[in-house]
Amino acid sequence: AQRVTQPEKLLSVFKGAPVELKCNYSYSGSPELFWYVQYSRQRLQLLLRHISRESIKGFTADLNKGETSFHLKKPFAQEEDSAMYYCAPSGQGGSEKLVFGKGTKLTVNP
Amino acid sequence: KAGVTQTPRYLIKTRGQQVTLSCSPISGHRSVSWYQQTPGQGLQFLFEYFSETQRNKGNFPGRFSGRQFSNSRSEMNVSTLELGDSALYLCASSSEINQPQHFGDGTRLSIL
Repeated sequence: AQRVTQPEKLLSVFKGAPVELKCNYSYSGSPELFWYVQYSRQRLQLLLRHISRESIKGFTADLNKGETSFHLKKPFAQEEDSAMYYCAPSGQGGSEKLVFGKGTKLTVNP
Repeated sequence: KAGVTQTPRYLIKTRGQQVTLSCSPISGHRSVSWYQQTPGQGLQFLFEYFSETQRNKGNFPGRFSGRQFSNSRSEMNVSTLELGDSALYLCASSSEINQPQHFGDGTRLSIL
């Protein structure tokens, strides 16, 4: 069965500190992996996808196929990074179905 | 380009009624997916449509149904509403397989 685990429901860091949001997945085949973010009063939006290997807003995510993890990292957190973050694999069997983790609420304190 | 548009934004219904929610995808997007978001269960997949065909369905009862029209617009219907159906229903569209999904603001459904 497809499963995504984001072990931290809440994560609080101070501005300028490094942040890592964990994501482990159990998924057959080779899924496409995404991180989505939802800022307060905004719609859910794509933050980054693993195949693009981009750094968006200073965030990066490394896919570790051995550990089936796709942790999101940022070396220096900013207050505007406070949001809800969702890890989501997609694409099994040609489907675009996203299987979302329960999400991690990140709070960056001044 | 206009984003994904969902109507209505808010709905209040009573138990036993039925409801239809609408989603207009981004122009040119042929894939539409629906998700239910609740505080307890988080985001759960409902259905996925591509070129008017349902490609995938989540683990929801048959009271939940959907369809997609030739212009890619989609509707979902929930019949015999239950209190537990209260949720934010999100629609997302994408252009092709494995392309990022773009979400609408959602329809907040409250069942009294």
